[in-house]
Amino acid sequence: AQSVTQLGSHVSVSEGALVLLRCNYSSSVPPYLFWYVQYPNQGLQLLLKYTTGATLVKGINGFEAEFKKSETSFHLTKPSAHMSDAAEYFCAVNPPLSQGGSEKLVFGKGTKLTVNP
Amino acid sequence: EAGVAQSPRYKIIEKRQSVAFWCNPISGHATLYWYQQILGQGPKLLIQFQNNGVVDDSQLPKDRFSAERLKGVDSTLKIQPAKLEDSAVYLCASSSLTGVGETQYFGPGTRLLVL
Repeated sequence: AQSVTQLGSHVSVSEGALVLLRCNYSSSVPPYLFWYVQYPNQGLQLLLKYTTGATLVKGINGFEAEFKKSETSFHLTKPSAHMSDAAEYFCAVNPPLSQGGSEKLVFGKGTKLTVNP
Repeated sequence: EAGVAQSPRYKIIEKRQSVAFWCNPISGHATLYWYQQILGQGPKLLIQFQNNGVVDDSQLPKDRFSAERLKGVDSTLKIQPAKLEDSAVYLCASSSLTGVGETQYFGPGTRLLVL
């Protein structure tokens, strides 16, 4: 079964520093890949997604992610952290069609980002 | 455009009681999902509807959980009887199109505490 691994349940950065949140998936065939953000007591909001085409994907709020097939990774980055980026971030996949593709999202366990002043 | 609406936002019940959650998707969205998010974990799909038909309910504990979407618009998720391990946030999501890669839009969730 498809799985998603997010390295580090908690990441802490200083305001203005680089944000790097790691995501790896388990599949020999690339799935569709998503990053969602969840602010306290709110639902999930899509940051960005990769389906096909360019492997560097730009999303909202200055975030971007790069799909690397050789590393089965889809890490999320932002050059300069802002206090408002403090939230929990989830990586998710749609399993590929060749593996019984499904519209359901399979989520990682999440990474909580803290931004220090 | 209004987002996905859910109610109630919070619910506290005792074990063995029943509870129901309501979801109204974004207007025109044919696909509706219910996810369960246990503290410290990512959301897990419980059930997916396409209009008023069930597409995937493989992870729904059918001995206690039920869901319906009778008119293909809003949906209700019920738990009867509730167990302590059902304490979680229940998220509803919808998407306009069917197919892998489509964006799902999430509601704010219902936080359930079972005592």
